[in-house]
Amino acid sequence: DAGVIQSPRHEVTEMGQEVTLRCKPISGHNSLFWYRQTMMRGLELLIYFNNNVPIDDSGMPEDRFSAKMPNASFSTLKIQPSEPRDSAVYFCASGTANTEAFFGQGTRLTVV
Amino acid sequence: SQQGEEDPQALSIQEGENATMNCSYKTSINNLQWYRQNSGRGLVHLILIRSNEREKHSGRLRVTLDTSKKSSSLLITASRAADTASYFCATPTSNSGYALNFGKGTSLLVTP
Repeated sequence: DAGVIQSPRHEVTEMGQEVTLRCKPISGHNSLFWYRQTMMRGLELLIYFNNNVPIDDSGMPEDRFSAKMPNASFSTLKIQPSEPRDSAVYFCASGTANTEAFFGQGTRLTVV
Repeated sequence: SQQGEEDPQALSIQEGENATMNCSYKTSINNLQWYRQNSGRGLVHLILIRSNEREKHSGRLRVTLDTSKKSSSLLITASRAADTASYFCATPTSNSGYALNFGKGTSLLVTP
């Protein structure tokens, strides 16, 4: 298995534009997590899915953020419209209950 | 939500020395995990210790868990320059074990 795959690895966009981040979890994992990492706040849990169903989205900062998981092998995190303060590294991870989480390499987002 | 807090924030040692990092958390947990992050990369799982375990070993890593003090420690013995990274402890957001909350990490620098 290639591990958790995220795309793109880097994204530079202008303020106000829509940004879509993509994630392919490890096959067989039933949980998927989206995290955001910044120097100021560290790693923040944004949302997680279990069996493709959103379980807790309380970490999503604003209505500008949305996440979907249409099937077991794909998830998206969308920011619309993007703002400079959204600049961060966004990680997707997958796993199963009470075991380790496997992280992707992250998407470094810069909003100018 | 529960969140681990690592201590110290930064640690600088020489190759061959031991490195000890500590983690404190707030509420009851059923497991605690340690992760490593190299600069610009995703997090990698190191070790999981369950609440009924007091100590666990993996190669040069030794993890302890004291549930009465709500604390854990990660010891890296005979450190190498390649151990330079950030180390995070993580605790489940609930005892259903779906998602993890991470501390802000300890930045370890091992100099040759």
